[in-house]
Order: sequence, then structure tokens, then C-alpha cells
Amino acid sequence: EVHLVESGGGLVQPGGSLRLSCAASGFTFSNFWMNWVRQAPGKGLEWVANIKEDGSDKYYVDSVKGRFTVSRDNAKNSLYLQMNSLRVEDTAVYYCAGGPYCGYWGQGTLATVSS
Amino acid sequence: QAVVTQEPSLTVSPGGTVTLTCGFSTGDVTSTHYPYWFQQKPGQAPTSLIYDTSDKHSWTPARFSGSLLGGKAALTLSGAQPEDEADYYCLLTYGGPWVFGGGTRLTVL
Repeated sequence: EVHLVESGGGLVQPGGSLRLSCAASGFTFSNFWMNWVRQAPGKGLEWVANIKEDGSDKYYVDSVKGRFTVSRDNAKNSLYLQMNSLRVEDTAVYYCAGGPYCGYWGQGTLATVSS
Repeated sequence: QAVVTQEPSLTVSPGGTVTLTCGFSTGDVTSTHYPYWFQQKPGQAPTSLIYDTSDKHSWTPARFSGSLLGGKAALTLSGAQPEDEADYYCLLTYGGPWVFGGGTRLTVL
């Protein structure tokens, strides 16, 4: 059975940092691009970043470029999102998603940026 | 970055047919954007329904189908069920970056 389990969310002040993790199991993690997608309270889905199978290519939505870094450790079947210089508007549930044709999604972790 | 447009809301009668569309600010949506469709019910993570314009996952109900229609990606629901009431999001890719549409809230009433 496939599982994607996010962790690392929490409450942080503006300007602070969080590191999100996503633990994958049940599929060959190293064979697939992986993505971070977020959803602000009451809003739609927003793609945040993705990373190629071997980590050699990465893409970001403009609003997080220079502040967020996506990475992966295929030996640990894990995906990460380092979030720095956080803003109030980064408050959202963050999902990791990937696998064959983005068919696998975690349940999300809530990151709240507030003073 | 590019903007993807969807109808904010649609209503369909039980057993009826409805088509949701997905447009792209830069021009026509084509198969090279590999359109995806996701369903999200309240309090749940999204579920992938359609990928590469019209391909279905093993778990996608047969009543859902994807296509290209008039320069847009389209999701057609034939024989709507009460459990199909949800938010639907399209996703387009253009090289590495992805972009979601704003979502369509589908009411089955």
C-alpha cells in the first residue's frame, strides 16, 4: 500500500523557517518526480515546487523562488521542503504529491505563519 | 507565470452530464500541456482523476472522461452521482513548472 506522510508543519513567526518532510513508501520513490502543493485556508491548490527523480532539476513557483528549497534523499525515500523567510501568505496545508502521473498524495501538514 | 482558468462553479442534476473546462492564458491548451484533473472533497486531500488529457487511473470512475475541446482541456461527468459533489482542479504543465487552475465547485442538485 502506498503512503506519503508529511511532517514538520507548525506555527512560526514571519521571517522564520520551517523544514517539511515527506516519507514515502509502497512505490519506487526514486523513479518519479515529486511535488509540493499547498492550499491556503479556504483557497484553491497552488503548485509550489518539484524535483526530478535524481534531484538534478528543480522548479519553483515565482512567489517562493529564493526562499524555498526542495530536495530529496532517495536512500531514505524522503522529500523535503526548506522554507525560509516565511511570510503570512505562506500559511497553508502543504501536500507532497507524486508517483505515477501524480497519483499519490499525502494528507498534508499545516504551516502557519503568524506573529 | 501563466494563468489557468476554470469555471468558478457549476451545477448538475443527479444522473445528468456536465463539462468542466480549463483554459490557458498563453493560448490553446494542447496535449503537450499533459492536462490533469483532480477532485477534492471537503477536509480531504486531492485525488487524481485524469492525466495526459484523457487517461484514467485504476480508481477513476468510468463516468469521468477527459478531452480537448475548443482549445481547452475538458472534464466530462456523465451520469452525475451525489458523491461527485466536490471541487475539481485542472493542472497544466509547461516544461518543468506546473500550474493549477482556480478550481470549479461542482454541485449535484
